[in-house]
Amino acid sequence: NAGVTQTPKFRVLKTGQSMTLLCAQDMNHEYMYWYRQDPGMGLRLIHYSVGEGTTAKGEVPDGYNVSRLKKQNFLLGLESAAPSQTSVYFCASSYAPTGLNTEAFFGQGTRLTVV
Amino acid sequence: DQQVKQNSPSLSVQEGRISILNCDYTNSMFDYFLWYKKYPAEGPTFLISISSIKDKNEDGRFTVFLNKSAKHLSLHIVPSQPGDSAVYFCAAEGTFGNEKLTFGTGTRLTIIP
Repeated sequence: NAGVTQTPKFRVLKTGQSMTLLCAQDMNHEYMYWYRQDPGMGLRLIHYSVGEGTTAKGEVPDGYNVSRLKKQNFLLGLESAAPSQTSVYFCASSYAPTGLNTEAFFGQGTRLTVV
Repeated sequence: DQQVKQNSPSLSVQEGRISILNCDYTNSMFDYFLWYKKYPAEGPTFLISISSIKDKNEDGRFTVFLNKSAKHLSLHIVPSQPGDSAVYFCAAEGTFGNEKLTFGTGTRLTIIP
């Protein structure tokens, strides 16, 4: 029972490089989310998806793109990495909108450093 | 503009005593509140939640209290155990689930044996 799996766990990028973070869930959840966690800032929502083929902007979407081509996968892309994107990234999923007795299940996180 | 605030970055409590973690919010449209627990190198996990129509919700050693007039909620852990050492995030959600979870900055709880 894997739950939510993020790949990779760690990555160091040079400024200007691109990369894609992969999130996979095996719980048949409709809703998926990408958060970033920074010291003193808590978790902030980057983008989210309410179903296969859909995406929407969250609180801090600039510099990121996402795709949800398959229900179980949610990809987060950085086209041109910047030092300000150094952070820990968490993917989450839920079967319904979070709240209203619906919890979100989180992956273990991806620690990204941009130098 | 931090709509959910956890003003104590850290808290240390003796094992067996009560741990009280506090959270304040500013948006009166929030009506559902959750606590998540996070261990190092792991993702957050759901702990307990409360709806705005209630002022208390209890689950074993964990109790969440909500004071809507003060826009304040607290998480009580009693008795505290070493395994409770973690970062605790308060989160809030708007009406009908159309809004997304807004998280606080977290409080690192350390239980001293």
